[in-house]
Formats: sequence, structure tokens, C-alpha cells
Amino acid sequence: QKEVEQNSGPLSVPEGAIASLNCTYSDRVSQSFFWYRQYSGKSPELIMSIYSNGDKEDGRFTAQLNKASQYVSLLIRDSQPSDSATYLCAVRRDSSYKLIFGSGTRLLVRP
Amino acid sequence: DAGITQSPRYKITETGRQVTLMCHQTWSHSYMFWYRQDLGHGLRLIYYSAAADITDKGEVPDGYVVSRSKTENFPLTLESATRSQTSVYFCASSQGTVYNEQFFGPGTRLTVL
Repeated sequence: QKEVEQNSGPLSVPEGAIASLNCTYSDRVSQSFFWYRQYSGKSPELIMSIYSNGDKEDGRFTAQLNKASQYVSLLIRDSQPSDSATYLCAVRRDSSYKLIFGSGTRLLVRP
Repeated sequence: DAGITQSPRYKITETGRQVTLMCHQTWSHSYMFWYRQDLGHGLRLIYYSAAADITDKGEVPDGYVVSRSKTENFPLTLESATRSQTSVYFCASSQGTVYNEQFFGPGTRLTVL
């Protein structure tokens, strides 16, 4: 079992819809969770971080964390074609500053 | 504000040659990291550093050497490049607080022939 798992996609949604990206992790002591966006040929860009159970909203993005279920998700409202990218979930285990990355979910937003 | 830079951006080398990838950050972040990204494997940590002169292995350190004599620089050296080291290499940095947000450089695409 991978430590951080994501569906590779592609996840295809129409413009204006809500895109829902999911991530599960295996280590219960994980404390910090991050979503990165990576455009093709570019470096990962941090878009959201979440540390407590519940929802965290930033503009069109909402991160949701459920530690009991070991599950973190990213919702993108009013999806735009410019949101088309690969979204990487990353988890920090409590004992170090290292991040463990999932393989990413490719999102396609159709005009 | 340059942030975090990497050089070269593209490099082609031959098997057996030594190659050094440079990483420089202007944020005075304590932590720096080297990742490689390959299709099917995602981002994998090679080495990281908590401060000048403090380095530690990540998930895939074999064949790589790092040093950190200054806080702002974290070079990665491939002592004898192999074809399996063909990859995209990303450097990242973090303040090292409890939130540990890492910020990435633009990457170096390395091809070993």
C-alpha cells in the first residue's frame, strides 16, 4: 500500500462545475496536509494547506480533512480551463519535516 | 525577489560523468530538499538539509551526494551518472516551522545518455 494514494485520472469536468479531488494516506500520525498544482513542464505550486479536521476555504478552493478516515480532499468551485493541471497531495508525518507525495490526479476542465 | 532558483534548467550528459545541479534560495529558509520526479513514481525525496552542514538521506539517495556549506545553497552531485538518473530534479525549501510549507524551484531536466 502506498503511503499517499490518489486516483491518477484524468478527472474531466465541464467549465463552471465543481471538481473534487481525493487523497488517502496510511500513516495515522500524519499532521499536515498540502495540495500542490503542477502544470505540464512546470514545478509544483502550493495552493492549500490544512492541519485540522474540517474545511478550509481559500477563494474557489476548499480543502477538507478527515483524520479519522485518513482522507483529505480538494474541491475547486467554478472550475476554469486554466485549472487543468495535475494536483499533488502531500502529507507530513509528525516526526520530520519531510513530505510524502501522492502520484497526482490529472484534472481536465472542458470549455 | 528571486525566491528559489535552479541551474542549469536543462542538462544532457553521458554515463559515468559527474554532474552538479545547483539550487539557491533567497528566503533564508532553514530546510532545503532535493526531489526527483519520474512518470509512475511521482516526487521522491533524494536528500534534505535542516541547516548549513546538516544533511540527511531521503527515499532514493543512492548515487547522489549533497553539501550545504551556506544556508542559501544546496548543490546536488551525481558522482557517476547513470541512465536511470534521467529525470526532472526539483529543489524545494521550507522555513521548517510546524506548518512546513515547501516551495519549489523551477526544476532541472537531466538526460543521461
